[in-house]
Amino acid sequence: KQEVTQIPAALSVPEGENLVLNCSFTDSAIYNLQWFRQDPGKGLTSLLLIQSSQREQTSGRLNASLDKSSGRSTLYIAASQPGDSATYLCAVPSGSARQLTFGSGTQLTVLP
Amino acid sequence: DAGVIQSPRHEVTEMGQEVTLRCKPISGHNSLFWYRQTMMRGLELLIYFNNNVPIDDSGMPEDRFSAKMPNASFSTLKIQPSEPRDSAVYFCASSLGTPTEAFFGQGTRLTVV
Repeated sequence: KQEVTQIPAALSVPEGENLVLNCSFTDSAIYNLQWFRQDPGKGLTSLLLIQSSQREQTSGRLNASLDKSSGRSTLYIAASQPGDSATYLCAVPSGSARQLTFGSGTQLTVLP
Repeated sequence: DAGVIQSPRHEVTEMGQEVTLRCKPISGHNSLFWYRQTMMRGLELLIYFNNNVPIDDSGMPEDRFSAKMPNASFSTLKIQPSEPRDSAVYFCASSLGTPTEAFFGQGTRLTVV
């Protein structure tokens, strides 16, 4: 059974810092990995989808990397802003329905 | 596209009442998922539809839960009778096939008192 872990559970940084969020998964036979952002009381917003054949995927100040062999992905956020404050979740498709298995998330706070 | 649309956004109901949650997936998407999010268990899949057909409902917790997808643009999740432990945020997501990028609705926050 696929298990997804995100460390740290919470992170607080001053504005302008570059930061890295970590995601690890137990079964390396994945199709892709998706990063989401969730604001309090809101839905999940898809940030990046990185295919299993890719090493990196970039969108603006966000860069996601994937190392299947080690079962790890990182989300790099450059020049963080208070508006980046949210919970960040990673997820991989698994199971017969290829439903998303989610990590528990990293709650990010960017201090002005 | 307006994205995945869920209604209502908030629902407060008394124990024993019937609750119906609604979802309109993104036009053209043929896969639809219902998830439930709680503090204790995080996000869990309840049921998955492909081309309007339920494929995997192993995550539906009890017979009190049922889901339908009568057409490609509408799905419902019904709880009857509702119980306080059903209180959670229920999300609908859609995608073009699987495993591809999934898009989530804003969720329905259900409180059963």
